[in-house]
Amino acid sequence: DIQMTQSPSTLSASLGDRVTISCRASQSITSRLAWYQQKPRKAPKLLIYEASTLESGVPSRFSGSGSGTEFTLTISGLQPDDFATYYCQQYNTYPYSFGQGTKLELK
Amino acid sequence: EVQLVESGGGLVQPGGSLRLSCAASGFTFSTYSLNWVRQAPGKGLEWLSYISYGGGATHYGDSVKGRFTISRDDAKNSLFLQMNSLRAADTAVYFCARVVRGSGSYIDYWGQGMLVTVSS
Repeated sequence: DIQMTQSPSTLSASLGDRVTISCRASQSITSRLAWYQQKPRKAPKLLIYEASTLESGVPSRFSGSGSGTEFTLTISGLQPDDFATYYCQQYNTYPYSFGQGTKLELK
Repeated sequence: EVQLVESGGGLVQPGGSLRLSCAASGFTFSTYSLNWVRQAPGKGLEWLSYISYGGGATHYGDSVKGRFTISRDDAKNSLFLQMNSLRAADTAVYFCARVVRGSGSYIDYWGQGMLVTVSS
């Protein structure tokens, strides 16, 4: 099975900051990676798919990059609505798997 | 508007069974594949199961393989998860989720989730 490892687990940042979240796969998943945002007691929301394609309606301050085993999610110019938990997910090989999540907190 | 609404959750004793349902609307249900994903209290997301459009293919995560069964009824626009031999570790919010059509297999819509508590 493919293991997904995110870092850091918690990230403290200020409004307007640029932050990066990393996601590493235990084996190559080509570009079959999605990023989701989840707020407390809510369902996750799709942000990015195919590692770098922005979902329709998602603000352009979100961007994704990477392929193979190393991926990043970058948020440029943090807004109040961005403080949430972020998950990566591989959909290259069953069983699909999520990273453990990165909680983005207001400093 | 795409809607996915889970039901059937609640309190069940260890070793017991429960069947979750997910009612879909706002899209042509029969042409989409679907997933179940869960989230234990205070924990991260765990992918559980997949069923293809038409129901011909299913996949499961290791933690539920042999105990949980995914199925669908396209006539009723409904997805199901039959959960047997439940354990305390199965306590979680269970989400049904739609898989995007085409070459990708990521989730584009989620239900609001349904809590299942396994406890004596």
